[in-house]
Formats: sequence, structure tokens, C-alpha cells
Amino acid sequence: GNSVTQMEGPVTLSEEAFLTINCTYTATGYPSLFWYVQYPGEGLQLLLKATKADDKGSNKGFEATYRKETTSFHLEKGSVQVSDSAVYFCALRVSGTYKYIFGTGTRLKVLA
Amino acid sequence: DGGITQSPKYLFRKEGQNVTLSCEQNLNHDAMYWYRQDPGQGLRLIYYSQIVNDFQKGDIAEGYSVSREKKESFPLTVTSAQKNPTAFYLCASSIAVGGAYNEQFFGPGTRLTVL
Repeated sequence: GNSVTQMEGPVTLSEEAFLTINCTYTATGYPSLFWYVQYPGEGLQLLLKATKADDKGSNKGFEATYRKETTSFHLEKGSVQVSDSAVYFCALRVSGTYKYIFGTGTRLKVLA
Repeated sequence: DGGITQSPKYLFRKEGQNVTLSCEQNLNHDAMYWYRQDPGQGLRLIYYSQIVNDFQKGDIAEGYSVSREKKESFPLTVTSAQKNPTAFYLCASSIAVGGAYNEQFFGPGTRLTVL
């Protein structure tokens, strides 16, 4: 079946630290991959995406590379800010369908 | 501005009552979705619809119903049969599979509390 696995949180970092949030997936075919961010009490916002192997998605200093050989899509940022504190969700769109699978989310806390 | 609106933002329901959550999009997207989010958990798919007058059950459809009479609207009814309806409900939409960009767009959510 199709699934997404994310590292458990919370992840607590000091401002300007390096961030990695791991995401691995299981899927048939060639899924599209996404990272979404959710701030308290709000809906999800797309952070970045990649639609094929070796694509790198990037936005607001965040990056993730679609690694088909390791079925991974890890989220990274070189220097986090307090304003990055949120819950981050890794997701995939099942190839050839309208269906999306989400990970359980990873809460990030950045301390000043 | 294009986007997805959900109303109300907060909803309180007495046990045994049905309630309907509104979701409207002006993005001209074909597909629409309803998810349930519980504290500390990911999103679970309730229903989704690819086209008008057609919808499919997701992973946790029991106790919920939907309709898709218009492309831009996809209301969700939480019935009295749903045993534990207190949760945060998110509506989303996406463009057709053949489109170049196929991410989902989300509304701001409705928090439902059963009293």
C-alpha cells in the first residue's frame, strides 16, 4: 500500500540551527511529493513540492530532494527562525489518482 | 483572490444533532476533499470528489455524508451516527491530474466541538 512516515516530534532547536525532518514513503508508481506547514489553528499551506525523481523543491530557505533510490524526501533548512515554529507534514499524491497520503506531522519549536 | 473558504470557524453541537460544514472554492479545481485532524495526529480522509455529482468514501466515512451539486461547493454533514465528532475539519481542493501543478490547497478549517 501507500504510506508516508515522518520522524516523531517535537523537534526543538535554537534559532539559526540546521534543520532536518526525515520523511520516507512507500508508493506504487511515481508519486508526487509535498511538504506542507501548519500554524496553530490554521489550515495547511504548501511549502514545497517535487514531481519526479531527483527534483529539488525549495521555498523560503527550505529544501527537499526527491530520492527514489531511498524513497525519501527529507526537509532541510540551513538556519531556522522562531517564526518557523509550526507543524510540518510530508505527503504524497498517489500516482494516477486524486488521492493524497499524509504523514502524522512533525512539530518544530525554535527557541530564541 | 482565489482560495478556499470554510465556515463556520468554530461550531458547537449537542449530541444527537446533525451539523453541516461549508466549503467553497473559487479556484476552478475539479477535485475536493474533506479531512479530519485530531490533536497530534495526521490528516485522515473522510470523502473526496473528482467531479460534480460524484464522490467517494475515504478512510473514515462512517457517520459523515457529503454532496457535490456544484463544482465550487462541497459541504460535509456530520451526522449523529458519528460517535466522536469533536475534531478539526479541513477542506481541500486540487487541479485535475493532467495539470502541471497538482498540490492541494487547504481552507482555514472548522473546529467542531460536541457538548
